[in-house]
Amino acid sequence: DAGVIQSPRHEVTEMGQEVTLRCKPISGHDYLFWYRQTMMRGLELLIYFNNNVPIDDSGMPEDRFSAKMPNASFSTLKIQPSEPRDSAVYFCASSLEGFQPQHFGDGTRLSIL
Amino acid sequence: RKEVEQDPGPFNVPEGATVAFNCTYSNSASQSFFWYRQDCRKEPKLLMSVYSSGNEDGRFTAQLNRASQYISLLIRDSKLSDSATYLCVVNIRDYKLSFGAGTTVTVRA
Repeated sequence: DAGVIQSPRHEVTEMGQEVTLRCKPISGHDYLFWYRQTMMRGLELLIYFNNNVPIDDSGMPEDRFSAKMPNASFSTLKIQPSEPRDSAVYFCASSLEGFQPQHFGDGTRLSIL
Repeated sequence: RKEVEQDPGPFNVPEGATVAFNCTYSNSASQSFFWYRQDCRKEPKLLMSVYSSGNEDGRFTAQLNRASQYISLLIRDSKLSDSATYLCVVNIRDYKLSFGAGTTVTVRA
């Protein structure tokens, strides 16, 4: 069975550029989560969706970050404009139901120069 | 107070040893508890869910103490492949999970 699929695996870009991260959840999973992981702050929840609807985006750091889920099999996390402090590993995860374990993708390693 | 707190370790143990560590959580209304493991530069992977009665999965035993609001993980007969960071995960409200900073375990030959 295919797990959560994220792309790209690595992204290096200059500050000020737009960055788009992509995620395909496990088929049939109703919940999708975006996380950011850094050494300093650990794993932080940015936003989560239920049935394609954003439920809680209180973890989104600022207006430069936005996330969408146009259908059940695709979500994007966009940063515009990007800044060096956005450098981190971004994970997407999905779960069958809200209290079920979450399954993570391989992550996108983002470096903003 | 942090929502989930863990001893960062590291716990350095020889192969075959038993290692145990805890984490504490702040929200008494939390309903779901998990242990994840994360290898260096990899994604977190579910190790096991934690149930009120305690549960085992092979060499791994998890316990939940709701009264004291802590969760424990015990690894018996440690293998080199058990070397990883173990993340304590608790749902804090609704379906939001809070991840501890992780406990690093290194098993040496």
